[in-house]
Amino acid sequence: GAGVSQSPRYKVAKRGQDVALRCDPISGHVSLFWYQQALGQGPEFLTYFQNEAQLDKSGLPSDRFFAERPEGSVSTLKIQRTQQEDSAVYLCASSWTGQGTYEQYFGPGTRLTVT
Amino acid sequence: GENVEQHPSTLSVQEGDSAVIKCTYSDSASNYFPWYKQELGKRPQLIIDIRSNVGEKKDQRIAVTLNKTAKHFSLHITETQPEDSAVYFCAARSPGGYSTLTFGKGTMLLVSP
Repeated sequence: GAGVSQSPRYKVAKRGQDVALRCDPISGHVSLFWYQQALGQGPEFLTYFQNEAQLDKSGLPSDRFFAERPEGSVSTLKIQRTQQEDSAVYLCASSWTGQGTYEQYFGPGTRLTVT
Repeated sequence: GENVEQHPSTLSVQEGDSAVIKCTYSDSASNYFPWYKQELGKRPQLIIDIRSNVGEKKDQRIAVTLNKTAKHFSLHITETQPEDSAVYFCAARSPGGYSTLTFGKGTMLLVSP
């Protein structure tokens, strides 16, 4: 079946603009994660959803970052008043939440460049 | 929280040689250790994983070993091919969370023909 998809693939924003990044998880996957990947680094956790509930947002770097998954499927990561340090690839991953199931499958990411 | 260290940061080998990438983790309760391969501009792809109740797992040319006592795990690639060239990330899952993964900083593997 189709994998995790993300849009847009590339986004250029001027400093101070708001951006919205979309993630379509694998159908039937209950768990959805957002990660931030800086250049030359590994992905870093931002936030986690189980269905529509945001159970962990401990990784969000500031209150300018906001995520939602209102119907338990598509998720949107919003960044308000973007700053240059927000430039990174934003990865979404989904997982089927079953007993002992931990595998996460990633989307292609959205590369955000703040100028 | 969990901390994952990965070495080396870059690894160059000749085609046909073996490659080994090592990771250490800090949380002795971590119970799941995946490895991802990420080609330039592409998504991270899960290539192999291991659970804490297993010491070794193989899948064709790749294998992962886990030493819980020493809190380290390694990725082994045999008979390397140019298409193995990519960045490889290890990760660890701490059981107290929601399957959140903590990643290493990555190893760029270059396989020369």
